[in-house]
Amino acid sequence: QVQLQASGPGLLKPSETLSLTCTISGGSFDSGSYYWGWVRQPPGKGLDWVGLIRHSGYTSYNPSLKSRITISLDTSRKQMSLRVRSVTAADTAVYYCARHANPHGGFFLDVWGQGTTVTVSS
Amino acid sequence: SYVVTQPPSVSVAPGQTAFITCGGNNIGSKSVHWYQQKPGQAPVVVVSYNNDRPSGIPERFSGSNSGHTATLTISRVEAGDEADYYCQIWESSGDHVVFGGGTKVTVL
Repeated sequence: QVQLQASGPGLLKPSETLSLTCTISGGSFDSGSYYWGWVRQPPGKGLDWVGLIRHSGYTSYNPSLKSRITISLDTSRKQMSLRVRSVTAADTAVYYCARHANPHGGFFLDVWGQGTTVTVSS
Repeated sequence: SYVVTQPPSVSVAPGQTAFITCGGNNIGSKSVHWYQQKPGQAPVVVVSYNNDRPSGIPERFSGSNSGHTATLTISRVEAGDEADYYCQIWESSGDHVVFGGGTKVTVL
């Protein structure tokens, strides 16, 4: 049973760089059937897909965030990381890591971590 | 990029049926997935690939998708179904996930 655990700093100041880590346990981490990614949710708002990464290193990002984000994998540690540069208050959100599955064509998010809260404030 | 539209809210009495729509241009040609999110919790998939239910999801949850509208149907609604529901598609042209804005289901 795969489990995802997101962790991060909690509080940042505007213009700083946000770094989050998702630790993946159980299941098959390096299966080509799955991608790994991030979703965020600002307070009181809906889900906002951030991006994904494949075990091969292939990435895809939300076009609205693409210029500021990087997703990477540390396969030896079974960890995925998200970096968001030049944060503003608009980046305040709960950040979820999630497994993207594709058993029948077209991905959906079948396993989610519990989320980590990030607040950007001076 | 592809846009999917959901009504902000749906209200339903216990025991009745709730219909939650997800609109998009020719969405019937895509696979639609549905998530339930309760306050303070991560989303959980309740229907995948238009009408597949993951193990553990009650049969009361079902989906359909045709033309420009996909629908999540919750039959015999219970108080515990009160939550936010999100539809999601995969935009293969850019390898992107797209979420609808979410629908808050209130059980009267």
